[in-house]
Amino acid sequence: DGGITQSPKYLFRKEGQNVTLSCEQNLNHDAMYWYRQDPGQGLRLIYYSQIVNDFQKGDIAEGYSVSREKKESFPLTVTSAQKNPTAFYLCASTTSGGLYGYTFGSGTRLTVV
Amino acid sequence: GQQVMQIPQYQHVQEGEDFTTYCNSSTTLSNIQWYKQRPGGHPVFLIQLVKSGEVKKQKRLTFQFGEAKKNSSLHITATQTTDVGTYFCAVPERGAQKLVFGQGTRLTINP
Repeated sequence: DGGITQSPKYLFRKEGQNVTLSCEQNLNHDAMYWYRQDPGQGLRLIYYSQIVNDFQKGDIAEGYSVSREKKESFPLTVTSAQKNPTAFYLCASTTSGGLYGYTFGSGTRLTVV
Repeated sequence: GQQVMQIPQYQHVQEGEDFTTYCNSSTTLSNIQWYKQRPGGHPVFLIQLVKSGEVKKQKRLTFQFGEAKKNSSLHITATQTTDVGTYFCAVPERGAQKLVFGQGTRLTINP
């Protein structure tokens, strides 16, 4: 079945460590997105990518980095520069630049202690 | 950038009561999308509205797009416990290939 796979589902890290969240899709979607969601809050855009080897900052990119070396993959690194990294991270993809419905992965819950 | 206001932030109803959430924009929208996120889950795309005055139905859910294409609503008739979750609207940001999400309306239901 086609879809988006995020791994791991839960992740615990010590403060000061970088951590990379995986996002893989087999939907042949061009555009991919990373969102952060805090408890009881909406979705805030971290980074997005329309094509391979190109990506743009979203509203809260500070302390995060991404790469898009393959169409299917869009990993997110949460760096030690991110002051409050504990959150629910969601990856999404769509066929054409946000003009159609997004397909979301099941998310990664990151806890930094 | 593009902003969209969604109200109410929270809504608690008795099972069987109706529920409505609204999204409003100060600018004309090309389209609006609606998503549902169950507690502990991820957002799931429900529908996209494109035409002025458009009304679409999915079983007990009715989606409307305003005549001026600046507002939209999602109405659920006779809520059931399976309707629990947060409902988000999302609109395209002008000049950028991305969506802007509303803050969401969290629906809780008393069985």
